[in-house]
Amino acid sequence: DAEITQSPRHKITETGRQVTLACHQTWNHNNMFWYRQDLGHGLRLIHYSYGVQDTNKGEVSDGYSVSRSNTEDLPLTLESAASSQTSVYFCASSGTRGSTEAFFGQGTRLTVV
Amino acid sequence: DAKTTQPPSMDCAEGRAANLPCNHSTISGNEYVYWYRQIHSQGPQYIIHGLKNNETNEMASLIITEDRKSSTLILPHATLRDTAVYYCIALKFSGGYNKLIFGAGTRLAVHP
Repeated sequence: DAEITQSPRHKITETGRQVTLACHQTWNHNNMFWYRQDLGHGLRLIHYSYGVQDTNKGEVSDGYSVSRSNTEDLPLTLESAASSQTSVYFCASSGTRGSTEAFFGQGTRLTVV
Repeated sequence: DAKTTQPPSMDCAEGRAANLPCNHSTISGNEYVYWYRQIHSQGPQYIIHGLKNNETNEMASLIITEDRKSSTLILPHATLRDTAVYYCIALKFSGGYNKLIFGAGTRLAVHP
C-alpha cells in the first residue's frame, strides 16, 4: 500500500545546529507540504512543493528550507535550530487530479535545547 | 480560499449523532468544502469533501446548504474514538495546486 513516512519520529538537537527532517511518499503525488504544530495550536504551513524543482514559502517559512529533487521526497532543513522551532512537524502529500485529499505522515517531534 | 468559522468546542454523547457546523459565507463557486480531523497528536485524517451536493461515505455525511454559505459534518453514531479536533477548510483547485490552510477547528469530545 502507498504511504507517507517521516523520520525520525523524535529528535533532540542543540541550538544552532542544522537539522534535516525526512519525508518520503509512495503515492507518486506531485504536491508535498510541511506543517508545524505547537502545543495546543493548529497546523501552520511552512513550505510546499507542487513538483520536482518547485518550492514555495508558506505562512511560517523563516529559518526553514526545502528542496525537491525527486517526486518521493521533500526534506525539511532547519538551517540553525532555535528553541522557538521546538514543535511537532507534519509532512503531507496530495495528488493533482480532481479534488483529491491529502495524506499526512505520523509527525516528527523536534526538541531544540 | 474562503475563510471558515467553526465553534471552538462541542460535546456529544456516545452513540448519538454529532453535528459539526461550519460557516463559509464568502465561499466562491469553485471552492470545495473539505473536512479533516486530528486525533490527539496524530497527523490529520481526511474525512469527506463536497462542492454543492450532499455527500456520504463510510465515515460521515456532509450537508451543504443550497447557498453554500455553510455546511454540517454529521457523524451518525459517534464513538469515543471520534474524540478529535475537526477542521473545515474551503479549498479552490487551480490546475491541481491545492494547499490546505488550517484554522483552529472544533474540538469534539464524545463522552460515555
